[in-house]
Amino acid sequence: EAQVTQNPRYLITVTGKKLTVTCSQNMNHEYMSWYRQDPGLGLRQIYYSMNVEVTDKGDVPEGYKVSRKEKRNFPLILESPSPNQTSLYFCASSYRILTGQSLYGYTFGSGTRLTVV
Amino acid sequence: AQTVTQSQPEMSVQEAETVTLSCTYDTSESNYYLFWYKQPPSRQMILVIRQEAYKQQNATENRFSVNFQKAAKSFSLKISDSQLGDTAMYFCAFMKHPGAGSYQLTFGKGTKLSVIP
Repeated sequence: EAQVTQNPRYLITVTGKKLTVTCSQNMNHEYMSWYRQDPGLGLRQIYYSMNVEVTDKGDVPEGYKVSRKEKRNFPLILESPSPNQTSLYFCASSYRILTGQSLYGYTFGSGTRLTVV
Repeated sequence: AQTVTQSQPEMSVQEAETVTLSCTYDTSESNYYLFWYKQPPSRQMILVIRQEAYKQQNATENRFSVNFQKAAKSFSLKISDSQLGDTAMYFCAFMKHPGAGSYQLTFGKGTKLSVIP
């Protein structure tokens, strides 16, 4: 089954304790991205990656790191989590569409509910 | 920068009735894509429908259809014959054409739809 797998689904941690949220896709998508969802704010992009070893900041990158060493994996790293990073996180992937081809839209993971206390 | 506005934080509709969710956006781009995503209580992000800006014809997917008014920068979602399973948060989203070098989805803040038996 084509899917984006995020782990863990729920995570409670303490301020300052480094954590990693994993994301893996099995569709050979070039493009991967992380979003956070907060009430009243919708989803905002944290980081994205156009391909292996190519990453760039989104709209809210502060306090996060990412890496793309393999095409299928795109982990989100919080080096020193703080309470304002309590949120619902989504990983998403897509084909890197060339001009003229159809756009299928993103495939989203099931989300990770992170609480930082 | 693009912005997406959903002016209805919450709506309700009787089962089997029709409801329209509003979305407006602001962009200087001429070629782009628009999406509606559904997020049920399971929090999975599900693509409902998409529209390419260069297409005049409004997109339709079964009970879901859009009214795309490019000049007015309006992209409303109509749900016909509402079902209990349509209860969810609905997000409108914008993406520049990938030829512009960006795959970022810009989301509105969402409309919470409740279908009443």
